Amino acid sequence: GAVVSQHPSRVICKSGTSVKIECRSLDFQATTMFWYRQFPKQSLMLMATSNEGSKATYEQGVEKDKFLINHASLTLSTLTVTSAHPEDSSFYICSATTTDAYEQYFGPGTRLTVT
Amino acid sequence: AQSVTQLDSQVPVFEEAPVELRCNYSSSVSVYLFWYVQYPNQGLQLLLKYLSGSTLVKGINGFEAEFNKSQTSFHLRKPSVHISDTAEYFCAVTFTSGTYKYIFGTGTRLKVLA
Repeated sequence: GAVVSQHPSRVICKSGTSVKIECRSLDFQATTMFWYRQFPKQSLMLMATSNEGSKATYEQGVEKDKFLINHASLTLSTLTVTSAHPEDSSFYICSATTTDAYEQYFGPGTRLTVT
Repeated sequence: AQSVTQLDSQVPVFEEAPVELRCNYSSSVSVYLFWYVQYPNQGLQLLLKYLSGSTLVKGINGFEAEFNKSQTSFHLRKPSVHISDTAEYFCAVTFTSGTYKYIFGTGTRLKVLA
């Protein structure tokens, strides 16, 4: 149980275009989802927290207009990287949790490469 | 401020030898603690967690960890490692009240040598 999927697993896009990454909880209702970014050989950096039906809460230094997060249902959150640039290339990981649960369940990650 | 420290960025160890990966945290409130493993280009897999109860926690793949409140530590151990244990290991902390956000350590790269 507690499976989280991400789509796509890899994406290559051209500079200036937008790309959407989906995060789904497959067998549970995710009241809260988190989006992380991970640079090579580094730890995970929390970008934002999203609660179903509410606006996402972004961490300091994360551009909310560039990284659009939508959590429209209890099983789906999306991260849209708008007007992507090569410096946005990274590994993006989502996680999900349920009400009053302290454990986060992680997706397999999405490798974004901006050319 | 709350923080998590993984003192060793890399730990090389020979196959079948024991290993300990260290994790210390700083917090003024009660915490829950986790260890995750990450293989290349993959997400995080939970190894074990401490929420309450016995301070010695057993996890998957033969790993265990001990919560030491006085030393604010949660070190991960395995008595005999395999080549397949080569991966990145992350310690994480969340708080018993609040937003469920994790604070991650910087990670320890375990490299098991033949």
